[in-house]
Amino acid sequence: EPEVTQTPSHQVTQMGQEVILRCVPISNHLYFYWYRQILGQKVEFLVSFYNNEISEKSEIFDDQFSVERPDGSNFTLKIRSTKLEDSAMYFCASRAGTGVSNQPQHFGDGTRLSIL
Amino acid sequence: GQQVMQIPQYQHVQEGEDFTTYCNSSTTLSNIQWYKQRPGGHPVFLIQLVKSGEVKKQKRLTFQFGEAKKNSSLHITATQTTDVGTYFCAGVRNYGGATNKLIFGTGTLLAVQP
Repeated sequence: EPEVTQTPSHQVTQMGQEVILRCVPISNHLYFYWYRQILGQKVEFLVSFYNNEISEKSEIFDDQFSVERPDGSNFTLKIRSTKLEDSAMYFCASRAGTGVSNQPQHFGDGTRLSIL
Repeated sequence: GQQVMQIPQYQHVQEGEDFTTYCNSSTTLSNIQWYKQRPGGHPVFLIQLVKSGEVKKQKRLTFQFGEAKKNSSLHITATQTTDVGTYFCAGVRNYGGATNKLIFGTGTLLAVQP
């Protein structure tokens, strides 16, 4: 079964440094998402991406965050200047878009981001 | 903003006992999805409910969507140790739109004692 893959599985970064989290969504999917989960808490929506642009973002997704789909397969989340409170598990998800509109989202294994 | 709450936060059962988690949204939903997350794992899609009053079954799991499309429940009959994990409901408001972002509930952690 096709999977969403994320790299790295764990990223340790000094506060203030830039970090890029990478995702390869399922190949025929059209909608892409980033979520985060602070340890022990619920999963929170960050941003959705469709047709090469952001379709919606949450209040968490401030100017320090950006997303890109630099080629036909990768979908990246960049945090320009990391803060301690950015420490969390970051999940990428993708969803098919053709045909039935309410397709479920498929999640990757996540990247654990630790800010020191 | 829109909130999705679940109760209980934590449930400890003996293997073979039943388990139910309840999900309540502050706003009417287009559809609701249920995910299971094992400790250290990622959310895994279980099911989606779309219609008012809908009931779906997957083996020992029964999912319901309320008539007002603001609440949902997941019931597990005769729990097994493999059922251990956190069960999240996730509401969707933008049906068919370019977003369909998931608003996750607070989750219910299920522990099953053999």
